[in-house]
Amino acid sequence: DAKTTQPTSMDCAEGRAANLPCNHSTISGNEYVYWYRQIHSQGPQYIIHGLKNNETNEMASLIITEDRKSSTLILPHATLRDTAVYYCIVRPDNYGQNFVFGPGTRLSVLP
Amino acid sequence: DAGVTQSPTHLIKTRGQQVTLRCSPKSGHDTVSWYQQALGQGPQFIFQYYEEEERQRGNFPDRFSGHQFPNYSSELNVNALLLGDSALYLCASSLTYGRGPNYGYTFGSGTRLTVV
Repeated sequence: DAKTTQPTSMDCAEGRAANLPCNHSTISGNEYVYWYRQIHSQGPQYIIHGLKNNETNEMASLIITEDRKSSTLILPHATLRDTAVYYCIVRPDNYGQNFVFGPGTRLSVLP
Repeated sequence: DAGVTQSPTHLIKTRGQQVTLRCSPKSGHDTVSWYQQALGQGPQFIFQYYEEEERQRGNFPDRFSGHQFPNYSSELNVNALLLGDSALYLCASSLTYGRGPNYGYTFGSGTRLTVV
């Protein structure tokens, strides 16, 4: 079973920041928080990952709480192309470990 | 640089038949994992191949089998197809098994299998 809890769906206005929360209260010390998204009929796309420090890349920012029990993915200026299902996954730092996906959050960016 | 390539993109099979799906990993990757994604659900892990051997397996019956070739490409075989096997089958490739965090875990676009 997935170790994360996410809202089923969210809406965001185009051009505004999209903040997607994720609860992972049982996360272990060696587990990273990963975010992937899946646009309709495509494979999941890597967005960002982190251990305990906040991370930022060209796609998004990841804010992890100090106790590591929750995190927020931030898309700073959402566009219509960001409409997708967003998955938050916790995973050990081991290449051999598979990803356990939950149902994710369906983000709809509205014009 | 080519990403993960899967073939075919769509496939229709009859219940009871057998199917083979193919995956070519991203250049430089040597581990291949397969996932099944039913409509409206997140992907579910089937198994992973490294050095031509199955290294991990999810909760899938023996009807699901696989193979990895010396060039790291992989096949997923499903025997005795059931209606419930209809799904999007995703292949993901990654770097060498057993080392640090891998944000290079890359998914293909999948094969849509419909069993009628």
